[in-house]
Amino acid sequence: GDSVTQMEGPVTLSEEAFLTINCTYTATGYPSLFWYVQYPGEGLQLLLKATKADDKGSNKGFEATYRKETTSFHLEKGSVQVSDSAVYFCALTPTDSWGKLQFGAGTQVVVTP
Amino acid sequence: DGGITQSPKYLFRKEGQNVTLSCEQNLNHDAMYWYRQDPGQGLRLIYYSQIVNDFQKGDIAEGYSVSREKKESFPLTVTSAQKNPTAFYLCASSIGGPAQTYYGYTFGSGTRLTVV
Repeated sequence: GDSVTQMEGPVTLSEEAFLTINCTYTATGYPSLFWYVQYPGEGLQLLLKATKADDKGSNKGFEATYRKETTSFHLEKGSVQVSDSAVYFCALTPTDSWGKLQFGAGTQVVVTP
Repeated sequence: DGGITQSPKYLFRKEGQNVTLSCEQNLNHDAMYWYRQDPGQGLRLIYYSQIVNDFQKGDIAEGYSVSREKKESFPLTVTSAQKNPTAFYLCASSIGGPAQTYYGYTFGSGTRLTVV
């Protein structure tokens, strides 16, 4: 079945550092790909998405490019802030059914001043 | 503003009691979902509903029950049969049908359930 694999956390960074969170997927067909963010004690918020190969999703300084050849959707931000401390989830929905979102395990990011 | 409202934010249950978590959405979404999240863990699907008056079990449905009598509402009951109910519960909704592939889910802010 379809699945998502994320790098394990926690990822600890200093403010203004470059952030990369790796996400790879296994899917039949051409899934849509998403990144969600969860701040402490809250629900998940959609951060960005890409619905076809080579699409780049971007929001709040975060970017991710849908790479079909490497089945990846890595999240990047050039200069993180303390307020970016959160758990980040990669997810996919398959296009061959109106399937449920498949989530990765989540990656905790801690940004220190 | 449209969104999903979960209530209460915090809930305490005595052993052996059933409790019901509320989830209401005004997004006109057809599909709704319940997830459980344990500390430091990912999301596990409990139940989902693609349409009113229909729902399916997810990966960890034992000890839980749901109903979907109205499009806007998808309450989750945690029964006494659920042996380890202390967790953070998240409700989500989506447009449903093939289009939901492109839009993803909208989540509520969660209910933290603690057994005392």
